Amino acid sequence: KAGVTQTPRYLIKTRGQQVTLSCSPISGHRSVSWYQQTPGQGLQFLFEYFSETQRNKGNFPGRFSGRQFSNSRSEMNVSTLELGDSALYLCASSLDWIGGGYTFGSGTRLTVV
Amino acid sequence: QQQVKQSPQSLIVQKGGISIINCAYENTAFDYFPWYQQFPGKGPALLIAIRPDVSEKKEGRFTISFNKSAKQFSLHIMDSQPGDSATYFCAAYTTDSWGKLQFGAGTQVVVTP
Repeated sequence: KAGVTQTPRYLIKTRGQQVTLSCSPISGHRSVSWYQQTPGQGLQFLFEYFSETQRNKGNFPGRFSGRQFSNSRSEMNVSTLELGDSALYLCASSLDWIGGGYTFGSGTRLTVV
Repeated sequence: QQQVKQSPQSLIVQKGGISIINCAYENTAFDYFPWYQQFPGKGPALLIAIRPDVSEKKEGRFTISFNKSAKQFSLHIMDSQPGDSATYFCAAYTTDSWGKLQFGAGTQVVVTP
């Protein structure tokens, strides 16, 4: 059974650019959550999607957005990149939001220069 | 406001020793408490989890102890091995979290040969 797949694994972008990260959840999983991980702030929740609907959002500026497709694949977008957006972005999936048993992908390492 | 407090920040243990990581929470609505293990360059991997109706759960060398009245839970790694060297995160969740796991700050464990 394939795990959570995130692409790309690494990205280098310039300040002011925008970036799109992709996440393919485990087959059958319909809930997808996104997290930002940095050494200083730890794991911070970005948002959660279920059945193409965003049902929860963390405390991040509007530059961070996401969406989920009918096949449960999800993308997150960051516009007008800032140096502070450099982080490991993690996607996690679960059958649904009820139990909390989320499986994480390996993440996308974003470096903003 | 950090909803899950984790300690220690780091610990060094000799091979064969016991590693103990502690977490405390405030929200009594939490009903799922997972522990994640993360190696450098990888996403967090679910290690073991417990629900509050159980005081202890053991899987191999890993044991969770749960004290509902004290709102504390801990991870014990028995017979620690060099391959256990990683960062460990405790987390807490409730269905009302809508996909948002509340993570502790993490504990870096180093097992010396």
